[in-house]
Amino acid sequence: AQKVTQAQTEISVVEKEDVTLDCVYETRDTTYYLFWYKQPPSGELVFLIRRNSFDEQNEISGRYSWNFQKSTSSFNFTITASQVVDSAVYFCALSEATKTSYDKVIFGPGTSLSVIP
Amino acid sequence: KAGVTQTPRYLIKTRGQQVTLSCSPISGHRSVSWYQQTPGQGLQFLFEYFSETQRNKGNFPGRFSGRQFSNSRSEMNVSTLELGDSALYLCASSLTSSTFYEQYFGPGTRLTVT
Repeated sequence: AQKVTQAQTEISVVEKEDVTLDCVYETRDTTYYLFWYKQPPSGELVFLIRRNSFDEQNEISGRYSWNFQKSTSSFNFTITASQVVDSAVYFCALSEATKTSYDKVIFGPGTSLSVIP
Repeated sequence: KAGVTQTPRYLIKTRGQQVTLSCSPISGHRSVSWYQQTPGQGLQFLFEYFSETQRNKGNFPGRFSGRQFSNSRSEMNVSTLELGDSALYLCASSLTSSTFYEQYFGPGTRLTVT
């Protein structure tokens, strides 16, 4: 069965510090997709990144970077030089895909990040 | 491009009533998913629709139902409301499937059951 664990419930950092949000997943499928979403205080979830299970390349987008390691079933998210606008709840999500069926997306419990000025 | 819209944004109902929530996806998106978000349970998947057909369903009682119209707009209905149904209901659209593609979320409908 699918499962997504985000062990860090809440994190506080001072502005300009780097912070890593952990995501560990469980799946029996070889084909799956991983996602990160951000939910700012306004409430609307915003898509950040999608990664399929065959692409283990790390990705960098500005101050954001993602480290995908199949060996440890982890898909961690790092924010470099954090800013107050990064304060939000961050969700990691997993979906499994087979040739004949679609499966629902499972979200982790989220990590609440507070960036203190 | 207009984003996902949900109506109404806020709703107050009493126990036993029923409620219908509406979602208009991004133009061109054919998949619509619904989620319930509560502080205790987090984001829980309700169902996904594609081409007017329910593709997936989460672990919710039959009081929760939905449908999708030919223009991809979707509605969600909850009958015989219970206090525990108080939550933020989020709608998300994706190109063809939330399994493969990122989802774009609406602002949600905040339902309060008294």
